[in-house]
Amino acid sequence: DAGVIQSPRHEVTEMGQEVTLRCKPISGHDYLFWYRQTMMRGLELLIYFNNNVPIDDSGMPEDRFSAKMPNASFSTLKIQPSEPRDSAVYFCASSSGRANEQFFGPGTRLTVL
Amino acid sequence: GQQVMQIPQYQHVQEGEDFTTYCNSSTTLSNIQWYKQRPGGHPVFLIQLVKSGEVKKQKRLTFQFGEAKKNSSLHITATQTTDVGTYFCAGWGGNKLVFGAGTILRVKS
Repeated sequence: DAGVIQSPRHEVTEMGQEVTLRCKPISGHDYLFWYRQTMMRGLELLIYFNNNVPIDDSGMPEDRFSAKMPNASFSTLKIQPSEPRDSAVYFCASSSGRANEQFFGPGTRLTVL
Repeated sequence: GQQVMQIPQYQHVQEGEDFTTYCNSSTTLSNIQWYKQRPGGHPVFLIQLVKSGEVKKQKRLTFQFGEAKKNSSLHITATQTTDVGTYFCAGWGGNKLVFGAGTILRVKS
């Protein structure tokens, strides 16, 4: 298995633009997590899905952020409109079972100018 | 809300010295996981502890879960330059998963 795949690896955009981050979890994993990592706030859990259904989105910062999981092999995190304070590394992770080992993707480094 | 505090924030040790990082939760955890993130990399799972008072070892790494399941520690014996990185704890309390802020370990050779 190729592991968790994220795209793009780097994204530079201007304030106000829409940004879509993509994630392909490990095949067979039933949990998918989205995280944001910054120096100031560390690693924050934004949202997680179980069998494509969002379970806890309390970590989503505001309405500008939305996440979907249309099927077991694909998820997106969208920011619209983007702001400079959204600049961070966004990680996707998947696991087989909620409390089991999470496998992280390489991350997407987002810069909003 | 649930919080997991991790200390120290940063530690710089001489190669061969020991290193310990501690996690303390405001609530009881059902389990605790430890991850390592190398500079520029992504978190990689190290271990999971589930039972009260549990101790697990991986070569030079020793992990403990407190009796009350509210604290945990990671101890590295005789650090090596390959141990460099940030060590995170993460705990589930109910439906909430919280990561500690991480301890950055630097090793001088």
